[in-house]
Amino acid sequence: QQPVQSPQAVILREGEDAVINCSSSKALYSVHWYRQKHGEAPIFLMILLKGGEQKGHDKISASFNEKKQQSSLYLTASQLSYSGTYFCGTQPASNTGKLIFGQGTTLQVKP
Amino acid sequence: SAVISQKPSRDICQRGTSLTIQCQVDSQVTMMFWYRQQPGQSLTLIATANQGSEATYESGFVIDKFPISRPNLTFSTLTVSNMSPEDSSIYLCSVERGDTQYFGPGTRLTVL
Repeated sequence: QQPVQSPQAVILREGEDAVINCSSSKALYSVHWYRQKHGEAPIFLMILLKGGEQKGHDKISASFNEKKQQSSLYLTASQLSYSGTYFCGTQPASNTGKLIFGQGTTLQVKP
Repeated sequence: SAVISQKPSRDICQRGTSLTIQCQVDSQVTMMFWYRQQPGQSLTLIATANQGSEATYESGFVIDKFPISRPNLTFSTLTVSNMSPEDSSIYLCSVERGDTQYFGPGTRLTVL
């Protein structure tokens, strides 16, 4: 079952923060976050494994609430390069390796 | 990470024809996946390809339409058969390394 992402679209000014959420109705093994720019392949950002952890690098971080089957991606002090479509990919608790992707969140950062 | 190449990068095909897409990885991997991304949409898993066994297809995708080969641990092909305009999409292969999936650059297919 496809996870639900919110919001569908975000428009920011450089330096502003954003949060993108991903919710699943099923028990998860992991949540993967990707960014895709127009005409390019999705680029892996980070993975969160069950256990309720938080990860981050640079000004992008994410959390995973295992009890709620929710993950959030935090973009801090956004840069123009952050523009793109963000997808969460969820892996079910059975850990088959398959990813089921949310519908995507389009982020536009303006100068 | 993983270095993944796909051929062709794009193609324009006539309806009723077939196209075979190749995916090459820089080192051996157990699991390879094929996804479809329709214009403006998310990624949808077509099938999982493991070397030495038949591909496992997701609901809505059948082997006759999307035959897959996996002859070794670094290579796979996806064929889109008897194409119609509804098959116009980006087709991406991905590989699992550790807990992470990495995507190839994709094949942009337009069916006229």
